[in-house]
Amino acid sequence: GAGVSQSPSNKVTEKGKDVELRCDPISGHTALYWYRQSLGQGLEFLIYFQGNSAPDKSGLPSDRFSAERTGGSVSTLTIQRTQQEDSAVYLCASSLYSGVDLEQYFGPGTRLTVT
Amino acid sequence: GESVGLHLPTLSVQEGDNSIINCAYSNSASDYFIWYKQESGKGPQFIIDIRSNMDKRQGQRVTVLLNKTVKHLSLQIAATQPGDSAVYFCAENKGSARQLTFGSGTQLTVLP
Repeated sequence: GAGVSQSPSNKVTEKGKDVELRCDPISGHTALYWYRQSLGQGLEFLIYFQGNSAPDKSGLPSDRFSAERTGGSVSTLTIQRTQQEDSAVYLCASSLYSGVDLEQYFGPGTRLTVT
Repeated sequence: GESVGLHLPTLSVQEGDNSIINCAYSNSASDYFIWYKQESGKGPQFIIDIRSNMDKRQGQRVTVLLNKTVKHLSLQIAATQPGDSAVYFCAENKGSARQLTFGSGTQLTVLP
């Protein structure tokens, strides 16, 4: 079956502009995560959605970052007034919600470059 | 603070040799650990996981060892192949949380 998909694969934007990054999780996966990966670094947790529960936004670095998940499926990460330090690869992952399985399936990421 | 970290940022091994990638964690409440492999330009890919009630788990050419006494996790890759060249991340889950905390990664390079 199809894996997690993300679009666009690359995005170049000017400082101060807003950007939207899209994630399509695996069908049937109720949990969705956004991470940020700076060059040569590990994954930084941003936000987590689980079903209809309130999202866990504890990882969002500033109020310029927000995310939505519509209909329990597609998610959009929005970065307002982008700054150069926002340049990174933004990864989305989804997983089945259960007490046992925590394996997260990752998309290929969106490489964001703020000039 | 509570974190997952790696002892070595880079590791080079000869093709055919065994590789050992290490990871230290500091949260004794962590009960689930995963190793991910990330090839250049791709998202991380699940390799193997282990729960805290186990000390060892084996997969195809990979073995994960968990030493809860010293809070240490390792990934062993047998007969390392060129296709194993990638960045390897360990990640932990702290029980009640649904989040995984990732380490900074180890770059494995397989030499011909």
